[in-house]
Amino acid sequence: ETGVTQTPRHLVMGMTNKKSLKCEQHLGHNAMYWYKQSAKKPLELMFVYSLEERVENNSVPSRFSPECPNSSHLFLHLHTLQPEDSALYLCASSQDAHGSYEQYFGPGTRLTVT
Amino acid sequence: QQQVKQSPQSLIVQKGGISIINCAYENTAFDYFPWYQQFPGKGPALLIAIRPDVSEKKEGRFTISFNKSAKQFSLHIMDSQPGDSATYFCAASTLNYGGSQGNLIFGKGTKLSVKP
Repeated sequence: ETGVTQTPRHLVMGMTNKKSLKCEQHLGHNAMYWYKQSAKKPLELMFVYSLEERVENNSVPSRFSPECPNSSHLFLHLHTLQPEDSALYLCASSQDAHGSYEQYFGPGTRLTVT
Repeated sequence: QQQVKQSPQSLIVQKGGISIINCAYENTAFDYFPWYQQFPGKGPALLIAIRPDVSEKKEGRFTISFNKSAKQFSLHIMDSQPGDSATYFCAASTLNYGGSQGNLIFGKGTKLSVKP
């Protein structure tokens, strides 16, 4: 295991639901990330947190709302999603918020929006 | 400018053969090039990385070749094994801090199947 856990592993939700994805890292890292992985597309960086402060928000729709209460936990709150939001959502952490540091990924949450 | 173009999309190799995956980039500010490996049901994991001060880096059966003038880099897997079957992603970032330049930009991935 990588030291990054994600729950739930699978989630099916309707477009009017509200749900949250949870990520926890046990590596003592200072940075955490949310990525969206869709078939035949590059991993899309959604949010970056460094020391619990958001440092990057790549024009993500407001129906995705991140929360980082401490350096070990990261949430992604979901509401009124669209079917095109169905994807694998990956959480990652690294020693520092920079691409040259190895990123450790969790196994992802497979989200299906019906 | 921020894209990393990866090819092929999928690759089938016989056991013992050489697997080659290629990536190209436009942004000359990129100076860190990692490769990530992803097995089904798992997140990507760092496999090997290179910085442009060297043209080649080898770790076991995995080698990165880097051509700075052509803005291309490739992953070679020697003596490919069925256990290497996975999706491989190239990526790029800069070593300079500041804004989004330090973020990893990923290619679309290559699904490798190694046949016994």
